[in-house]
Amino acid sequence: GDSVTQMEGPVTLSEEAFLTINCTYTATGYPSLFWYVQYPGEGLQLLLKATKADDKGSNKGFEATYRKETTSFHLEKGSVQVSDSAVYFCALTPRGNQGGKLIFGQGTELSVKP
Amino acid sequence: SAVISQKPSRDICQRGTSLTIQCQVDSQVTMMFWYRQQPGQSLTLIATANQGSEATYESGFVIDKFPISRPNLTFSTLTVSNMSPEDSSIYLCSVAGRVEAFFGQGTRLTVV
Repeated sequence: GDSVTQMEGPVTLSEEAFLTINCTYTATGYPSLFWYVQYPGEGLQLLLKATKADDKGSNKGFEATYRKETTSFHLEKGSVQVSDSAVYFCALTPRGNQGGKLIFGQGTELSVKP
Repeated sequence: SAVISQKPSRDICQRGTSLTIQCQVDSQVTMMFWYRQQPGQSLTLIATANQGSEATYESGFVIDKFPISRPNLTFSTLTVSNMSPEDSSIYLCSVAGRVEAFFGQGTRLTVV
């Protein structure tokens, strides 16, 4: 079945460092891909999304590109801030499933130190 | 977008008891989803709740353990029955947007 694998955490970075969180997926067809973020004490929020191959999702300085050839959707940010400390989840919905059922990766905890 | 309110936000329960979690959405939605996030793990879909019909459960989840109600298009409840410490998790309610999903803040359940 469909699945998502992301790099294990926790990841600890200094402020202004470059961030990459790897995410790869297995799915039939062409799923939609998402990054969700969970800030301490808050619910899940959509960070960015991409619905077809070569799409780049971006938000709040974060970017991820839908790479069909490598089945990847790695999250990047050029300069992290302390406020980016959170748990990041990569997820997919199968093609044709309009945002309903989500399959999540295991989550990566990011801690940014001043 | 959708705003989702979940209650309670957290609870500590005795083993063998049951807890009902409520989920209220600020707009009418056809499907609502319940997820579980066990400590240190990812989110797993428990079931899909459609208004006016029985919920559809994912593999490994059964109605006797997680009964769900969906009385109208803005409200749903999930009950965690006959709880054991293994049920200690965060339970989240979700609804589907046009492309993405929206989530409540979750209910953090600890079973002692």
